Amino acid sequence: DGGITQSPKYLFRKEGQNVTLSCEQNLNHDAMYWYRQDPGQGLRLIYYSQIVNDFQKGDIAEGYSVSREKKESFPLTVTSAQKNPTAFYLCASSPLWGRNTGELFFGEGSRLTVL
Amino acid sequence: EDQVTQSPEALRLQEGESSSLNCSYTVSGLRGLFWYRQDPGKGPEFLFTLYSAGEEKEKERLKATLTKKESFLHITAPKPEDSATYLCAVQGGIQGAQKLVFGQGTRLTINP
Repeated sequence: DGGITQSPKYLFRKEGQNVTLSCEQNLNHDAMYWYRQDPGQGLRLIYYSQIVNDFQKGDIAEGYSVSREKKESFPLTVTSAQKNPTAFYLCASSPLWGRNTGELFFGEGSRLTVL
Repeated sequence: EDQVTQSPEALRLQEGESSSLNCSYTVSGLRGLFWYRQDPGKGPEFLFTLYSAGEEKEKERLKATLTKKESFLHITAPKPEDSATYLCAVQGGIQGAQKLVFGQGTRLTINP
């Protein structure tokens, strides 16, 4: 079945470490996104990509990095520069053209905890 | 700057007790307003898209409506399985084709 796979589901990090969250989709979508969700807050956009080898910063990109080497994959690295990385991270994809570009398909999420 | 505010933050209903969730928004050139459902510890699941004022969409016990300033998600005779957080998001023309702005969500609990 088509969908988005995020891994790992749970991740623990020591302060000062970089960690990478995986996101793979088989929906043949051009656009992919990373959102961060904190308790009681809406989803905030970290990075998004519309095409391979190209990506744009979202509203809270500081302390994060991404790559888009393949259409199917959009990994997110949480660097040691991110001061408050404990959160629920969501990857999503959508079509690039047409009226349904806002109909995002989300993965199951990755919960990162800094020890 | 595009903004979305959802109310109430939390709502507790008895099974069968109908109610509505509110999503107020400000956006430059609305391209679409979206409703999502999110279960605890899961990613959001798309429910509806509304494109213009006056439009309505229905799915089982849910009906979404849209005006120029707000959207309502009406829940008729809810069941316990309707318990979830409901998220509203807007897509504006100026921000670009892909960027959505989300509200903080309404956490709905339906007691049996």
